[in-house]
Amino acid sequence: DQQVKQNSPSLSVQEGRISILNCDYTNSMFDYFLWYKKYPAEGPTFLISISSIKDKNEDGRFTVFLNKSAKHLSLHIVPSQPGDSAVYFCAASAKGYNQGGKLIFGQGTELSVKP
Amino acid sequence: DTAVSQTPKYLVTQMGNDKSIKCEQNLGHDTMYWYKQDSKKFLKIMFSYNNKELIINETVPNRFSPKSPDKAHLNLHINSLELGDSAVYFCASSQLGTGSYEQYFGPGTRLTVT
Repeated sequence: DQQVKQNSPSLSVQEGRISILNCDYTNSMFDYFLWYKKYPAEGPTFLISISSIKDKNEDGRFTVFLNKSAKHLSLHIVPSQPGDSAVYFCAASAKGYNQGGKLIFGQGTELSVKP
Repeated sequence: DTAVSQTPKYLVTQMGNDKSIKCEQNLGHDTMYWYKQDSKKFLKIMFSYNNKELIINETVPNRFSPKSPDKAHLNLHINSLELGDSAVYFCASSQLGTGSYEQYFGPGTRLTVT
């Protein structure tokens, strides 16, 4: 049972345009969502997060939107740059010490930004 | 100055061998994790230690045994390696109880079992 899904394995965008990466989840207990960026042969690096009490969080060129009723979140990158080309992972977590901070990851979307 | 480091970066070994992967974090975090990324690129949690205490143990074979000598280190020992153990293993750390679930990942260890 895959609780976090990224249905688009890849996305290609022109430099300067908007990149929109999507993520769906099934577990209504999730209360915190994160986006990670991963380059080949490196570990994932944290990009941006959002708590379930918010519907939007912005950090520079990156904005994450959360639609709780639809159990959907998206990452917008504006404007896209060639250096943004990487695999983007959506992750979710549920509150509670017994969760131990466990992150449930989607399968990733490979973004390619073409000059 | 690397925040989360793992050694080795690459590990090639034969079936049946025993191997260890080491992880160290210098962020002062109280919680460390091991994740496995399989051939389908899924990142799945295996273990989590908080202050040297095991708090998450997903359905991982007993051949995998994590060991945390102190808060800054979490090692992964694998006995009787099998072909299916081939994957990239990532160590991560975080500080629980801050309201942030952000985890910092190491560069990964690519394990190849032949």
